[in-house]
Parts: sequence; structure tokens; C-alpha cells
Amino acid sequence: TQLLEQSPQFLSIQEGENLTVYCNSSSVFSSLQWYRQEPGEGPVLLVTVVTGGEVKKLKRLTFQFGDARKDSSLHITAAQPGDTGLYLCAGHRGGSQGNLIFGKGTKLSVKP
Amino acid sequence: DTAVSQTPKYLVTQMGNDKSIKCEQNLGHDTMYWYKQDSKKFLKIMFSYNNKELIINETVPNRFSPKSPDKAHLNLHINSLELGDSAVYFCASSQGPASTEQFFGPGTRLTVL
Repeated sequence: TQLLEQSPQFLSIQEGENLTVYCNSSSVFSSLQWYRQEPGEGPVLLVTVVTGGEVKKLKRLTFQFGDARKDSSLHITAAQPGDTGLYLCAGHRGGSQGNLIFGKGTKLSVKP
Repeated sequence: DTAVSQTPKYLVTQMGNDKSIKCEQNLGHDTMYWYKQDSKKFLKIMFSYNNKELIINETVPNRFSPKSPDKAHLNLHINSLELGDSAVYFCASSQGPASTEQFFGPGTRLTVL
């Protein structure tokens, strides 16, 4: 059962455009993370959001955790070719088992 | 200075063979994981070890056997390889089993012919 739905699955935009990626679930997570994965490499953690309604900024990237802790969004302002990659959201169920549930990812391509 | 390393990076083998993938982390973490990423980029947990003890064992064929000789190493042995085992396998580690931040290795691309 896929617990985390990401949309869109693919996104191709021009440099300078803004974009938003969504991560939705019917389940509540104790925290949610966003990773970026480049071809041939492992996912790299960008941010962890823990509190419902929390907003975190990382340069041109803005992450928000939904009030009910079931969904999250990633907004990129003025996208650059260096932002190209696979963006994965992952929900942590909490407790001691460390079980991360990943979404299927959004493949972003930013063209110069 | 690599935090989580895996060997080999690429593995091409015939159906029916047995192969192993090794993982090492130098972060001093207690918990290590194996994930499988399929051709559609879906990343799914397979196993998790905390301080050499198995704590997560998802529905994985028993042809897959993880081994943790110490808390810095988690190896994955696969018997009787099948075509469907072709995927990228990622090792990851975290400070503890409840820690939300996981650090991933570069992956091992396994191709079964």
C-alpha cells in the first residue's frame, strides 16, 4: 500500500520559473522529510518538518508541513538548472522502528 | 571522508548466482538500513539493524539475508538471484532507530541477466 502520494510525477520547467511539489497521505506522520536524489547517487536529506503547520526555508526552497501532519509541500522559487533531480518525500511513523515511508518521487528538470 | 559507503557500485550477474553487497558507515550511528529502489524510482525499506540486531524485516524473500558483524557494517547477501531482483540497493544509517534523519550510501546497481 502506497501511503504517500507525490505530485506531479514529472515536471519540466524553464530556469527562473517557480514550482510546487506536493506530498499527500491519509495517514498522520510524526515527521516528514524531503530528499533530493541525483542520478547515480543516494538520496540526500534537505529538510525535516515535525510540527503541524511548520514552514522551513532553505535558500530558494520553502517546505511546509500540513496542520494535520498528513501532507507537505515543497516550493522552489526561481528554479535553476542545479535544482534538477528527483525529489522524494518520506514520512516517519514515529516510535523506535525508524520506518521511513517514501513517496514515488517527483522528477524535476530545469532547462537553462 | 565518505559517510556511508557501499561496494560494489555495479553488479552484473547471472540468474541463480549468489552475491553480496557490503556497506560501511563512519558516522558512529547505531542503526543501519537496506532499501531497494525499483526501475520507477520507488524506494522501499527491506531491513533495519540497531546495534547489530534486526529490528525491521519487511516482506522480503528469504533469499535475502542481511548480516551485521558490528554496528558500522551491514552486508546484504542474496541467494539464487532472480530477474526481479534487478534494482538499485541503498544502504543508509541513522543515529538511532527513532532518529528521523537517515544518511544514504551511493547505491549498488544490481543487474540480473
